[in-house]
Amino acid sequence: AQTVTQSQPEMSVQEAETVTLSCTYDTSESDYYLFWYKQPPSRQMILVIRQEAYKQQNATENRFSVNFQKAAKSFSLKISDSQLGDAAMYFCAYKYSGAGSYQLTFGKGTKLSVIP
Amino acid sequence: NAGVMQNPRHLVRRRGQEARLRCSPMKGHSHVYWYRQLPEEGLKFMVYLQKENIIDESGMPKERFSAEFPKEGPSILRIQQVVRGDSAAYFCASSPPARGNYNEQFFGPGTRLTVL
Repeated sequence: AQTVTQSQPEMSVQEAETVTLSCTYDTSESDYYLFWYKQPPSRQMILVIRQEAYKQQNATENRFSVNFQKAAKSFSLKISDSQLGDAAMYFCAYKYSGAGSYQLTFGKGTKLSVIP
Repeated sequence: NAGVMQNPRHLVRRRGQEARLRCSPMKGHSHVYWYRQLPEEGLKFMVYLQKENIIDESGMPKERFSAEFPKEGPSILRIQQVVRGDSAAYFCASSPPARGNYNEQFFGPGTRLTVL
């Protein structure tokens, strides 16, 4: 079974600084997707960024970028120029890309605080 | 285009009562997923439904839990004879008919169930 591990329960960052959230996963599959979701206090789950395992290039969305290391099964999220609105729980998630696979498997999350 | 809607947002039940959680998918989406988030945990997959069909219920507890997605109306997650351990946030996600191997799931705001 696939597992997703986020080893940092809490992180903090100064406003305008950069922070990196860690995620490792375990799978025997070669084709899959990885995601970072943001869950603010409203609890709405918001997709931040997505990475296809077959792509070597790291995904980027504005201030958010990932460092995808397939061999190491590592998928970290870097937030640049942190803003107060970035404060939230961040969840790393995995999804096998094969036919008949529907489930997202989530880590336990990292709570990010942004210090003004 | 309205997002995924869930109601109620908050639900309080006493032990032994029934809880009914509703999910209206985004317009044009025919796939619905239910996830449960226990305190201090990530989301865990429960069930995947298409109109009038349960496709994958591998994450559903064997007893007291059921789900449906009728031809007309919202998807319903039903919990009979609730116990304190059922207290959690229940999230619904929807996706359009599959195109290739990637089918993004759009999440609703969740229903927080509290069992007294």
